[in-house]
Amino acid sequence: EVQLVESGGGLVKPGGSLRLSCAASGVTFTNAWMSWVRQAPGKGLEWVGRVKSEADGGTTDYAAPVKGRFTVSRDDSKNTLYLQMDSLGTEDTAVYFCTTEHSIGFDHWGQGTLVTVSS
Amino acid sequence: DIVMTQSPDSLAVSLGERATINCKSSQNILYSSNNKNYLAWYQQKPGQSPKLIISWASIRDSGVPDRFSGSGSGTDFTLTISSLQAEDVAVYYCQQYFSTPQTFGQGTKVEIK
Repeated sequence: EVQLVESGGGLVKPGGSLRLSCAASGVTFTNAWMSWVRQAPGKGLEWVGRVKSEADGGTTDYAAPVKGRFTVSRDDSKNTLYLQMDSLGTEDTAVYFCTTEHSIGFDHWGQGTLVTVSS
Repeated sequence: DIVMTQSPDSLAVSLGERATINCKSSQNILYSSNNKNYLAWYQQKPGQSPKLIISWASIRDSGVPDRFSGSGSGTDFTLTISSLQAEDVAVYYCQQYFSTPQTFGQGTKVEIK
């Protein structure tokens, strides 16, 4: 069974930074493309960014609202995905989900971790 | 970016009746080389993470009841719940994975009438 467990969320002031982690099990992590998707309170889903598998180049892609501020990375030795978030604004307040990304879409999701940006 | 637009934003259906959700993409998401539509549907129940229920516009994920079906091609797609059950109360999202950034519709809330 695939399990994705996010951690690292919390309250941060505007302009601050936070790093989220996602521990994966039950999946061949080294082969997986991994994405972050967020959901602002009471709102819909928004893709944030992804990292491809090392075999596929390990490259990253980002949504326009976070490009230059957020960094997605992975540590295949720890089966862990990261999201480094800098220069946070109130608009970044959301639940952040870790997902596996395959040719069929986002097929496995974590439970999410809440990030609140507020002074 | 491809914009995904769902309709309606919400609907209330009686138990056992049909629920129909529409999704329109601003660009064609049918890849001609493999004749596949890069369209997925997700179900998000209250307080839960989203769950993939349909991919390639019409292929149910493993374990998804057959009362859920997807149809459409090109730019217009439909998710149908043939006989609504209480456990189907959720928000449903369409999503295109034809191009990056992958984009979602705004969601359709399905409730019991």
